[in-house]
Amino acid sequence: LAKTTQPISMDSYEGQEVNITCSHNNIATNDYITWYQQFPSQGPRFIIQGYKTKVTNEVASLFIPADRKSSTLSLPRVSLSDTAVYYCLATGSSNTGKLIFGQGTTLQVKP
Amino acid sequence: ETGVTQSPTHLIKTRGQQVTLRCSSQSGHNTVSWYQQALGQGPQFIFQYYREEENGRGNFPPRFSGLQFPNYSSELNVNALELDDSALYLCASSQRGGRETQYFGPGTRLLVL
Repeated sequence: LAKTTQPISMDSYEGQEVNITCSHNNIATNDYITWYQQFPSQGPRFIIQGYKTKVTNEVASLFIPADRKSSTLSLPRVSLSDTAVYYCLATGSSNTGKLIFGQGTTLQVKP
Repeated sequence: ETGVTQSPTHLIKTRGQQVTLRCSSQSGHNTVSWYQQALGQGPQFIFQYYREEENGRGNFPPRFSGLQFPNYSSELNVNALELDDSALYLCASSQRGGRETQYFGPGTRLLVL
């Protein structure tokens, strides 16, 4: 099963761009990279998903290099409300539908 | 499009009791997964249901059981509650095939005293 590694915590200030990197050296060929955001006592919220290159939506961008051994979630111009835990997961047939969550990255946005 | 809903939002039980948690999947989804999240930890996979049958199980004892109904809603049952069962229980729904992206409900906070 593909395991992901990401920083435990990050600090940023309002208005800055935040990049959170995730390592997934053993990602399976058919797996996608999926990011979730979670606020305290709420369910994880799907942010973005990609297979390779770059994916962008209204919330974030996801950069995945050609070797797919890592990925970077980019949050443009963060605000205080972006303070949350961010999880990077490898999802797909390698884990037969079971999401394997690590500790995630706790992002603290300061005024 | 209706999102994933869970009930109740909060629950307090005593050790040894039994509890049933409920989940309604997002419209168009046929698969439901359940997760347990202890304080400060990431969610841990309990099991998944597809076509009313268990389709994968995590490292949880048999006293954790579930059901999926024809309308794809689901229940999580926990018997003989223990103090360590206190956690946020999350339900996620997805559509079998393709990327199978899972969408989570708000969770049920269970406190076992």
